[in-house]
Amino acid sequence: SALTQPASVSGSPGQSITISCTGTSSDVGTYNLVSWYQQHPGKAPKLMIYEVNKRPSGVSDRFSGSKSGYTASLTISGLQAEDEADYYCCSYTGYSPLGVFGGGTKLTVL
Amino acid sequence: EVQLVESGGGLIQPGRSLRLSCAASGFTFDDFAMHWVRQAPGKGLEWVSGISWNSDKIAYADSVKGRFTTSRDNANKSLYLQMESLRAEDTALYYCAKDMEQWLEGGTFAFAIWGQGTLVTASS
Repeated sequence: SALTQPASVSGSPGQSITISCTGTSSDVGTYNLVSWYQQHPGKAPKLMIYEVNKRPSGVSDRFSGSKSGYTASLTISGLQAEDEADYYCCSYTGYSPLGVFGGGTKLTVL
Repeated sequence: EVQLVESGGGLIQPGRSLRLSCAASGFTFDDFAMHWVRQAPGKGLEWVSGISWNSDKIAYADSVKGRFTTSRDNANKSLYLQMESLRAEDTALYYCAKDMEQWLEGGTFAFAIWGQGTLVTASS
C-alpha cells in the first residue's frame, strides 16, 4: 500500500520544514532505498534525494533526507519561494509491487 | 542533453489496446534500468513497471499485471509499454523514467531523469 505523507505543510521564507513519509517493515523499514521527488504544477517530477540521504548532482544542499525506523523524512532549510511544489517519497519494497510512492505533500511557502 | 520523449498516448475506448513508446537520447541507454510511472489527473504518482538493463527482470504493479507488458530495444534506445484491456482507471499521464543503475533489484530504485509524459485517456 502507499506510503503515508502529510497532505500539506507550510513555512515562511528562510525557515526549515520537514516532510515525513511513513511505511512499513516491508519497505521503508527494511530498505535504504527511499527517494524524494519535487513536482511543480504541469511539470515532470525531479529527483531530489535518493538512497535516503544522497543528493544528485545539481540539487541544492538545502535539501536533505534521513530515516528512522519506518519513517523517512525530507528537510528543506532556508525555504525559498521556488520550493513551493508537491513532494513525493518513494520506496523500494523487494516484493510486488517493487516500488511504492507516498500520496504526496503540497508545500506552501507563505 | 539527456532526454526522454514519450509518445503514443491518446483517447482510447475501454477494453482496447495502446502501445506507448519512450525514445532516449544523451546517455548510454543500455547502462540503465528504466521505469514507467503514471499520474492520474489531479492525483499522485504510481509506479507502473520497471525493466532491468538487459530485460532480465521486468516487474509490474498489481493494478496492471497481466494487462501491461514492458519491453525495451537497446539498439534503438527505446522503451515500450503495451497496454491491453484498458480500463477507465488507467487514465493518466504516463512518464518514462531512467534509473540510476542497471538493476531493478540491488540498485538504487531512483528515477533520475523523467520524460514530459504522454496522456492516456480510456473513455467511451
